Amino acid sequence: QKEVEQDPGPLSVPEGAIVSLNCTYSNSAFQYFMWYRQYSRKGPELLMYTYSSGNKEDGRFTAQVDKSSKYISLFIRDSQPSDSATYLCAMSEFFDSGAGSYQLTFGKGTKLSVIP
Amino acid sequence: GAVVSQHPSWVICKSGTSVKIECRSLDFQATTMFWYRQFPKQSLMLMATSNEGSKATYEQGVEKDKFLINHASLTLSTLTVTSAHPEDSSFYICSARLRDQETQYFGPGTRLLVL
Repeated sequence: QKEVEQDPGPLSVPEGAIVSLNCTYSNSAFQYFMWYRQYSRKGPELLMYTYSSGNKEDGRFTAQVDKSSKYISLFIRDSQPSDSATYLCAMSEFFDSGAGSYQLTFGKGTKLSVIP
Repeated sequence: GAVVSQHPSWVICKSGTSVKIECRSLDFQATTMFWYRQFPKQSLMLMATSNEGSKATYEQGVEKDKFLINHASLTLSTLTVTSAHPEDSSFYICSARLRDQETQYFGPGTRLLVL
């Protein structure tokens, strides 16, 4: 079993829909959870970063972490065609605010298409 | 399947020394590998794209003589940070892609600290 599972999609939704992207994990030591957005031929852009269980909101994006279920989600409200990209979850046991990330485990990524 | 490993996961070195980071695709043949660096809580910045058997393509602003990339085989790419300086301290991540596929498989990253 892979440490991080993420449905690769593709996922197609109409413009304006609420999108739910999810990852499950098996390593209970993961404490830091990240969501990246990657457009074709670009590097992954960090969207959200969370540490504890619960919700974190940033504009149209909400990241949710449920450590008891080992399940994380990213919700996109009022989805736009410009949200069409691959979304990657990543997680780590460690983080040093001075030095940054350490030993990330990535999901495979979910390809999202928002249809106008 | 589709596992990518990096070695070492953590390296500390003195200023002026060179550091080599390996990226391996463990169970598939990666025709293309990518090298990224990430500063704390920031996005992954693409440094270069390497195709097996050919020279790497560097992104604007990345010094090719400082960051040497060798993609010697379909399962191994190396990034050598030459004459490392403290400002090179960062988190370096590689990813690998199968021929004709879009999905990139990411390694766990290597943290470099230059003293």
